[in-house]
Amino acid sequence: NAGVTQTPKFRILKIGQSMTLQCTQDMNHNYMYWYRQDPGMGLKLIYYSVGAGITDKGEVPNGYNVSRSTTEDFPLRLELAAPSQTSVYFCASSYRRGSYEQYFGPGTRLTVT
Amino acid sequence: DQQVKQNSPSLSVQEGRISILNCDYTNSMFDYFLWYKKYPAEGPTFLISISSIKDKNEDGRFTVFLNKSAKHLSLHIVPSQPGDSAVYFCAANDSWGKLQFGAGTQVVVTP
Repeated sequence: NAGVTQTPKFRILKIGQSMTLQCTQDMNHNYMYWYRQDPGMGLKLIYYSVGAGITDKGEVPNGYNVSRSTTEDFPLRLELAAPSQTSVYFCASSYRRGSYEQYFGPGTRLTVT
Repeated sequence: DQQVKQNSPSLSVQEGRISILNCDYTNSMFDYFLWYKKYPAEGPTFLISISSIKDKNEDGRFTVFLNKSAKHLSLHIVPSQPGDSAVYFCAANDSWGKLQFGAGTQVVVTP
């Protein structure tokens, strides 16, 4: 049982490039989340999903897109990368709404230069 | 607008003594509060939680206290151990089932 896995661990992008951050969970959780953490700040919710085919915006969705075609996978797409997207990105999952405990992946450190 | 605030960015405590981490919130609709622990280069891991209908929850060395009238919660770690050195995040569940996180407190436990 690997829990929540994220790839890549590190990435450097040039301004204007695009990339997809991968997230997979093997716990059969319905709920999945993408957060970003900037230095000295708490985690901010980018997008979340309550099940396959259903996604919704969080607090800071601009510049990102998501899809949820399966229960296991929840990729985050960055289009036209900007320096403001330099951050550490965490994917998380939970069994159900009301199961407030979320399980986090190890994170992806992204630098946009 | 930061609805969950951890005003102490760092805390240093001697091994064996008590660590007290504080968290304040502004939204009275929060119904559940959690503490997460994070080591470098890892994701946060759940530590302990408390429902808004309770004022205390204990799990081994960790106790969380909730003062709803003051919109304040605290995490007590007794006794502190070297492995407790980490960043601790306070989080609150809003009415939409989403978590709001504080900025974190870096705890360093010294020998």
